[in-house]
Amino acid sequence: DAGITQSPRHKVTETGTPVTLRCHQTENHRYMYWYRQDPGHGLRLIHYSYGVKDTDKGEVSDGYSVSRSKTEDFLLTLESATSSQTSVYFCAISEGKNTGELFFGEGSRLTVL
Amino acid sequence: AQSVTQLGSHVSVSEGALVLLRCNYSSSVPPYLFWYVQYPNQGLQLLLKYTSAATLVKGINGFEAEFKKSETSFHLTKPSAHMSDAAEYFCAVSPYSSASKIIFGSGTRLSIRP
Repeated sequence: DAGITQSPRHKVTETGTPVTLRCHQTENHRYMYWYRQDPGHGLRLIHYSYGVKDTDKGEVSDGYSVSRSKTEDFLLTLESATSSQTSVYFCAISEGKNTGELFFGEGSRLTVL
Repeated sequence: AQSVTQLGSHVSVSEGALVLLRCNYSSSVPPYLFWYVQYPNQGLQLLLKYTSAATLVKGINGFEAEFKKSETSFHLTKPSAHMSDAAEYFCAVSPYSSASKIIFGSGTRLSIRP
């Protein structure tokens, strides 16, 4: 199994509070991704990173920011959580942009009340 | 632009029966195609991928998929279902060599009847 750890695995928070989800990898892969999974929508890309301090927006980036200060860590921040951000968040990594093969973490379930 | 359509959000088959999960794609460039599987409370894992080599692709756990350009399809099959195959399956497409542009289908939940 790819060494990907997400934390926290479960979180309940209130509308308007900031939330940070962490993804840590031990594979030294260059590319890291944050997805959200919602029923009927499959997985949608929020942000991705192609190196330390290099990030770009995905399909559903509004309301989210990311940071990557080290190869192994990719943080997803919700500055002010809303109920529409209740979801399961998955981190994924890949060796390079050419393979398309992603390795996923086990997910972080976020509930915003 | 790319898109993926998975026909049927839920498929139920008997143990030992053929499994067929349907996926149609749209891509303006030669695509890479993937099937991922998600077991309960886990992340997705790659089942198989098509990258313009053989059109019939074999994956893990006895699954295979056939790329049919004329039909823009990439259906997933397994000759004989096993109880352990119960999971959610996602088809995905990306343009040639760009993992950051992967588009996932909405998923098909496979149930296996004893």
